[in-house]
Amino acid sequence: DAGVIQSPRHEVTEMGQEVTLRCKPISGHDYLFWYRQTMMRGLELLIYFNNNVPIDDSGMPEDRFSAKMPNASFSTLKIQPSEPRDSAVYFCASAGKTGNEQFFGPGTRLTVL
Amino acid sequence: AQSVTQLDSQVPVFEEAPVELRCNYSSSVSVYLFWYVQYPNQGLQLLLKYLSGSTLVESINGFEAEFNKSQTSFHLRKPSVHISDTAEYFCAVSDRWNAGNMLTFGGGTRLMVKP
Repeated sequence: DAGVIQSPRHEVTEMGQEVTLRCKPISGHDYLFWYRQTMMRGLELLIYFNNNVPIDDSGMPEDRFSAKMPNASFSTLKIQPSEPRDSAVYFCASAGKTGNEQFFGPGTRLTVL
Repeated sequence: AQSVTQLDSQVPVFEEAPVELRCNYSSSVSVYLFWYVQYPNQGLQLLLKYLSGSTLVESINGFEAEFNKSQTSFHLRKPSVHISDTAEYFCAVSDRWNAGNMLTFGGGTRLMVKP
């Protein structure tokens, strides 16, 4: 298995632009998680899905952030409009039914100028 | 609600010395416990986990952690570290009975191994 795949690996954009981050979970996993990591705030859970349905989005910082999971093999995290304070590394992780182990992707490093 | 505290944000240590990274958690329910490692510019990788059974769990690269229920701790240890162990280490906890698979992470401990 290729593991969790994220794209792009790096994204540099200007303030006000729309940013879309993509994630392909491990095949057969039922859970998908989006995290954000910064030096100041550490690792934060933004949202997670179970069987493509959003379960908890309480970590989404504001309405500029949205996430979708149209099918079991694809999810997106969109920021519109982007702001410099959104600069961070965004991780996607997936998990199976049991054991609670999460498998992380390599992350997308987002820089908003 | 659960919380995880990693008391040390950075731990410098010389190569071949022993190391202990501390992790304490609080939870009102039974938990699973995890240690993840993050090497520079990479995602998090599972190092070891405690689900049930023996309270001492080991990883393939010489780390071990012991679940201590009375002290609500899950400290990570290695008797002799290598330069390649330099990374950030995250302790995490999840609700044993929650099908949501959510993990609560600690703030991380940066292990810096010096030659």
